Amino acid sequence: DGGITQSPKYLFRKEGQNVTLSCEQNLNHDAMYWYRQDPGQGLRLIYYSQIVNDFQKGDIAEGYSVSREKKESFPLTVTSAQKNPTAFYLCASSIDRSGQYNEQFFGPGTRLTVL
Amino acid sequence: GQQVMQIPQYQHVQEGEDFTTYCNSSTTLSNIQWYKQRPGGHPVFLIQLVKSGEVKKQKRLTFQFGEAKKNSSLHITATQTTDVGTYFCAESNFGNEKLTFGTGTRLTIIP
Repeated sequence: DGGITQSPKYLFRKEGQNVTLSCEQNLNHDAMYWYRQDPGQGLRLIYYSQIVNDFQKGDIAEGYSVSREKKESFPLTVTSAQKNPTAFYLCASSIDRSGQYNEQFFGPGTRLTVL
Repeated sequence: GQQVMQIPQYQHVQEGEDFTTYCNSSTTLSNIQWYKQRPGGHPVFLIQLVKSGEVKKQKRLTFQFGEAKKNSSLHITATQTTDVGTYFCAESNFGNEKLTFGTGTRLTIIP
């Protein structure tokens, strides 16, 4: 089956620890995105990548880091510098660099809770 | 940053009633997309509108893009329990490769 996988579905961490969220896609899409969703709110863009070995900051990049070493993988690290990391994290991909004209396919999400 | 106003934030309707959500932008948009997120799920793409004044239909759903390309609406006729979820618009401006999502309208159905 083609799609986007995110693991784990639920993640618990202690305050002050870095944590890396996984995102893998086998759709052969060029562009990948990370969003954060808080209860009752919309999606806010953290980082995005339009091509391997390149990525751009989104609207709320502070306290996060990413890498794009492979086309199919776009892991997100939530660092201890992120002041309020508890949230639902969604990874998405789209077919090419013209992200605004192509639908985005979303993974099932990872719900991160920092204790 | 780009402002995306989506109203209403919540809507409770009796099953069989109609539902409409609106998206408004302060700038002219190149296109607009609509997504649906079921409770506990992830957003799923519904449709994209590109042309000024465009109207598209998917069964009971009607999507419109304003003549000035600054607003859009999603209308559901005769809601069913399967329509429950949060509906998001997502906008982009010319020269901006990112999508900006609205805050969403959460639809609940009273059986």
